[in-house]
Amino acid sequence: DGGITQSPKYLFRKEGQNVTLSCEQNLNHDAMYWYRQDPGQGLRLIYYSQIVNDFQKGDIAEGYSVSREKKESFPLTVTSAQKNPTAFYLCASSIKHRSTYNEQFFGPGTRLTVL
Amino acid sequence: AQTVTQSQPEMSVQEAETVTLSCTYDTSESNYYLFWYKQPPSRQMILVIRQEAYKQQNATENRFSVNFQKAAKSFSLKISDSQLGDTAMYFCAFMEYGNKLVFGAGTILRVKS
Repeated sequence: DGGITQSPKYLFRKEGQNVTLSCEQNLNHDAMYWYRQDPGQGLRLIYYSQIVNDFQKGDIAEGYSVSREKKESFPLTVTSAQKNPTAFYLCASSIKHRSTYNEQFFGPGTRLTVL
Repeated sequence: AQTVTQSQPEMSVQEAETVTLSCTYDTSESNYYLFWYKQPPSRQMILVIRQEAYKQQNATENRFSVNFQKAAKSFSLKISDSQLGDTAMYFCAFMEYGNKLVFGAGTILRVKS
């Protein structure tokens, strides 16, 4: 089955620790995205990547880092510099970032809780 | 910067009735796309319907339809014959051509039996 997988589903982190969230897609999509979801605020873009080995900051990139070494993978690292990391994180992908229209397909999400 | 506003944090509707969710947006662009996404309790984001700004005809997908008023920058979602499975958070979202999505804060819809 084609789709987007995120792991783990739930993640717990102690303060001061870095943690990496996994996102994998087998849809052969060029572009991938990371969003953060907080109650009452909808989804906000953290980082996005249009092509392998290239990525851009979104609206709330501070305290996060990403890599795009393979087309199918776009891991997100939440660093200790992120002041309030407890949130629901969603990964998405689309066929091509700069064409006229790109439907974004979403993964099931990861719930990160800082203890 | 583009903004999307959903003024109804929560709504409820009786099963089989019709409900309308509101959305307004702000942009200086003339070409863009608008979307409604559904997020049920499983938290999986599901695309419900999309509207291309250059099309005057309102989009329809089965029981879901939109009222797109470009001049007023309004994009409401109408759900007809509401079903219990429609209970979810609904997000309105905006996209310029080839650009990133901007989401509203969401409206929680509860369908009651």
